[in-house]
Amino acid sequence: GAVVSQHPSRVICKSGTSVKIECRSLDFQATTMFWYRQFPKQSLMLMATSNEGSKATYEQGVEKDKFLINHASLTLSTLTVTSAHPEDSSFYICSARDVGGLGGNQPQHFGDGTRLSIL
Amino acid sequence: GENVEQHPSTLSVQEGDSAVIKCTYSDSASNYFPWYKQELGKRPQLIIDIRSNVGEKKDQRIAVTLNKTAKHFSLHITETQPEDSAVYFCAASFGAAGNKLTFGGGTRVLVKP
Repeated sequence: GAVVSQHPSRVICKSGTSVKIECRSLDFQATTMFWYRQFPKQSLMLMATSNEGSKATYEQGVEKDKFLINHASLTLSTLTVTSAHPEDSSFYICSARDVGGLGGNQPQHFGDGTRLSIL
Repeated sequence: GENVEQHPSTLSVQEGDSAVIKCTYSDSASNYFPWYKQELGKRPQLIIDIRSNVGEKKDQRIAVTLNKTAKHFSLHITETQPEDSAVYFCAASFGAAGNKLTFGGGTRVLVKP
């Protein structure tokens, strides 16, 4: 159980292109999903918290107009990197938390990540 | 906000020996502490977690201890095997913050056969 699917796994595109990444919870509902960015040999840096039916909450220093997040249903959140440039190249990972259980802190389950390379 | 420090950054052990990774956190309100294992190019996988009302939790060769007073928690892996080689991340969160996780910097563990 608690499977999170992320697509695509790898994207290579030209500078200026917008790229959409999907994150789906396959066997549970997730009112909250999280988007992280991970540079090589570094930790996961939270970019934003995606809330179903409302605006995402962005971490300090993350441009909301650059990284558009949409969480239209309880099982799907999307991250769109707009007008991507080489410095946006990175490993992007989403996670989702199951709304079931006792509430409060529940484990986050991660997708497989998307390796984005901007040429 | 929360700050999580993790040590060591790299750890090399002989197969069969134990490995210990330590983390400290800054926000005394944090009440949930998961540990994730990430193999190269793959997703982080939850291996064990502990809540603040518990001091220790064990699952086969893996155990986690929590000292709320000192604000630190540790991961213990016994009888290490080559497949334990990976990067391990600790994290901390506070429920009212929507379970937003703050991660430590990671520990690269190498188990030598």
